[in-house]
Amino acid sequence: AQKITQTQPGMFVQEKEAVTLDCTYDTSDPSYGLFWYKQPSSGEMIFLIYQGSYDQQNATEGRYSLNFQKARKSANLVISASQLGDSAMYFCAMREIEGSSNTGKLIFGQGTTLQVKP
Amino acid sequence: GAGVSQTPSNKVTEKGKYVELRCDPISGHTALYWYRQSLGQGPEFLIYFQGTGAADDSGLPNDRFFAVRPEGSVSTLKIQRTERGDSAVYLCASSYRGTGMNTEAFFGQGTRLTVV
Repeated sequence: AQKITQTQPGMFVQEKEAVTLDCTYDTSDPSYGLFWYKQPSSGEMIFLIYQGSYDQQNATEGRYSLNFQKARKSANLVISASQLGDSAMYFCAMREIEGSSNTGKLIFGQGTTLQVKP
Repeated sequence: GAGVSQTPSNKVTEKGKYVELRCDPISGHTALYWYRQSLGQGPEFLIYFQGTGAADDSGLPNDRFFAVRPEGSVSTLKIQRTERGDSAVYLCASSYRGTGMNTEAFFGQGTRLTVV
């Protein structure tokens, strides 16, 4: 079963506007972490933001915020005031503890390609 | 450099050949991960090292794939008898300890492997 689902293969947004990238996840573990990464065309994965399952408040990092709805198992990324440099692939990922082990590995979604229009 | 370094950046090989992909993690990072990213997909976990030992190799697709990290720093992913389906970008990531829930993993730029 897919553990991380990103249902938007591609998104467009006008420069300076806000955009929401969707992410839903599936886990039975009460302790998990959710990450968003940006992957420009150059290929490197750039960490954007983290949300822990026990965090009471939604995470924010500059123009990035995470709309965490635990009951709905969603962790949508909101980018405010989009810039041309935001055009990239965006991945949602989850880290969970499997039984007694925690290897720290990340499970990624399929990604959303964001294009910012001037 | 300060980041995770992967070499080569591109590798073209013939079907059936052996290849080695190298990852140089951030100095001091004890955790090292290999992921494979097929075109249009998210990265898929292959193997995790804590220090010199492979703590989790559950993602390796078959016994043609093997990875080592003999001194707890540089790691080499080895693929024997390459197949066209092995073509992908192979990403390496490292983190300070690796198992903290919020521990950030730093990724290299990847090696694009093409098997012809």
